[in-house]
Amino acid sequence: QQQVKQSPQSLIVQKGGISIINCAYENTAFDYFPWYQQFPGKGPALLIAIRPDVSEKKEGRFTISFNKSAKQFSLHIMDSQPGDSATYFCAASYQGAQKLVFGQGTRLTINP
Amino acid sequence: NAGVMQNPRHLVRRRGQEARLRCSPMKGHSHVYWYRQLPEEGLKFMVYLQKENIIDESGMPKERFSAEFPKEGPSILRIQQVVRGDSAAYFCASSPDRGRTHFGDGTRLSIL
Repeated sequence: QQQVKQSPQSLIVQKGGISIINCAYENTAFDYFPWYQQFPGKGPALLIAIRPDVSEKKEGRFTISFNKSAKQFSLHIMDSQPGDSATYFCAASYQGAQKLVFGQGTRLTINP
Repeated sequence: NAGVMQNPRHLVRRRGQEARLRCSPMKGHSHVYWYRQLPEEGLKFMVYLQKENIIDESGMPKERFSAEFPKEGPSILRIQQVVRGDSAAYFCASSPDRGRTHFGDGTRLSIL
């Protein structure tokens, strides 16, 4: 019940295209859903996060879509660029727990 | 404004030795977390600490692993009698009382 399942494991997108990564969770107590970007040799960096009282949040080229009834959320990267090539992790946590539960990660490659 | 500082960045130990990983949280952050990342996998929570207190150690192996966050100085993750399976990247993160979690760039531990 603590798991967060992420797909796909790897993704190749052409420059300028839309990258979409999906996550699903079971624990309905989760109330905070961040996405992290990780480059090789670096730690995860927070990209964007959403709480379940909204269905969508947009920051620049990055959008989170959230479906509370389906217990799913996704990251959309518009106009994908080669510099977006990295591993992306979804995560979830709930108030009082502080710790983050991470998905397995998606290795994104943007072809020029 | 320094981020989360971890050292060493790379650590090599022989089986049976001890490994000590250090983490200095961001200024003003009183919450520290340790996560472990195996190759091609997501991050797994290990322990959550506040100054001088362990709040949640549900992800910590019961033997050989310990963590502390003293009143003065960095947080320490200590692994005694290391085995090959301890080879991983260990990430420290910190957060203020309520706010985003920031990660360090990790310590890559290799066991010979």
